[in-house]
Amino acid sequence: DGGITQSPKYLFRKEGQNVTLSCEQNLNHDAMYWYRQDPGQGLRLIYYSQIVNDFQKGDIAEGYSVSREKKESFPLTVTSAQKNPTAFYLCASGGDSENIQYFGAGTRLSVL
Amino acid sequence: LAKTTQPISMDSYEGQEVNITCSHNNIATNDYITWYQQFPSQGPRFIIQGYKTKVTNEVASLFIPADRKSSTLSLPRVSLSDTAVYYCLVGGWNAGNMLTFGGGTRLMVKP
Repeated sequence: DGGITQSPKYLFRKEGQNVTLSCEQNLNHDAMYWYRQDPGQGLRLIYYSQIVNDFQKGDIAEGYSVSREKKESFPLTVTSAQKNPTAFYLCASGGDSENIQYFGAGTRLSVL
Repeated sequence: LAKTTQPISMDSYEGQEVNITCSHNNIATNDYITWYQQFPSQGPRFIIQGYKTKVTNEVASLFIPADRKSSTLSLPRVSLSDTAVYYCLVGGWNAGNMLTFGGGTRLMVKP
């Protein structure tokens, strides 16, 4: 069953805590992306990676970090420096055609 | 990156054809036009992509005029399950494959 798997579906963060969102894909895509979506808004790009061991900041990278040690995995860490982390986080991968990205089901992060 | 402009919302009724127009006046020569659909609390789903003229698949049609400064997504005979947000994006590989999602168009299909 091919696709993009995000976990967990729901996540709660305490004050001052770092949390990591998982994103795994078995589509053999080179590129992977993280977006943040606030209620009623569009998606904003946090980080993207076009190849293993390389990643670039998107529009709202502050307070977030990523790694790309494997082609299949692109975890996102929401650090304590991100003061307003409550949002819906979406991971995507792409590479089989021009600009077509395939999205996971998302992780909803809330602050306790 | 080309900026896009779409209507914020649209209403329709079951069985009608819905056309959503997107403006992208500064589209670049190597930019493609891609449309996504998003249901609440789900990730966006690819609908259709085109470069010029008309593209049709089993879900929708995409009309792109010769100047490529706009595009129209056409959904034939919509049903209640087509109620969603529709995003228009433009971009190409030369842009580092970064996409900018605007606010999208909220389509409400009524019975």
